[in-house]
Amino acid sequence: IAGITQAPTSQILAAGRRMTLRCTQDMRHNAMYWYRQDLGLGLRLIHYSNTAGTTGKGEVPDGYSVSRANTDDFPLTLASAVPSQTSVYFCASSDASSGTDEQFFGPGTRLTVL
Amino acid sequence: GQNIDQPTEMTATEGAIVQINCTYQTSGFNGLFWYQQHAGEAPTFLSYNVLDGLEEKGRFSSFLSRSKGYSYLLLKELQMKDSASYLCAVFDSNYQLIWGAGTKLIIKP
Repeated sequence: IAGITQAPTSQILAAGRRMTLRCTQDMRHNAMYWYRQDLGLGLRLIHYSNTAGTTGKGEVPDGYSVSRANTDDFPLTLASAVPSQTSVYFCASSDASSGTDEQFFGPGTRLTVL
Repeated sequence: GQNIDQPTEMTATEGAIVQINCTYQTSGFNGLFWYQQHAGEAPTFLSYNVLDGLEEKGRFSSFLSRSKGYSYLLLKELQMKDSASYLCAVFDSNYQLIWGAGTKLIIKP
């Protein structure tokens, strides 16, 4: 793989179910992020990780959890999905030593909670 | 609160020039980004400004005025493939990116 991948591409989920969205990067970037994108709103940060073993809360963390066991993987878990979590989820990564700290995005996961 | 403002939608003609404005009010400033996002795809990096002035990169240029809390993205010689949303984002004092809702640019032949 090259870059950043996400799985699944899309998912329809019943409310109350648990769901993990997967994200893997092979660029050895130290920082990783999870965003949700809803129509008419900007990207909103859910959780982030500045380095393996550490995580932090973003703007909209409630109902979501993350882990960062190694550099490459940053899964996002919805413990008990609710319809308001219907959204497109983007994972991103960045290299803080790059100077610009630009973020590279995965292709996204389109999640529908019924 | 923190806020990024961009026009919701703009229309331009193929071959023309278009300027997309972005104003911001954030707690601190550590740089401004422009990203391009085609429908159904992920955002991709276009430009980064941290100092005042104009940064030119091919057909795209980005301008920043920190004192005015203002930036613009200038697209020249528009092509149909430039039809996309353009996202403005600012690094705040904690180096977290604050995103605008994006400007949908429609190019007409």
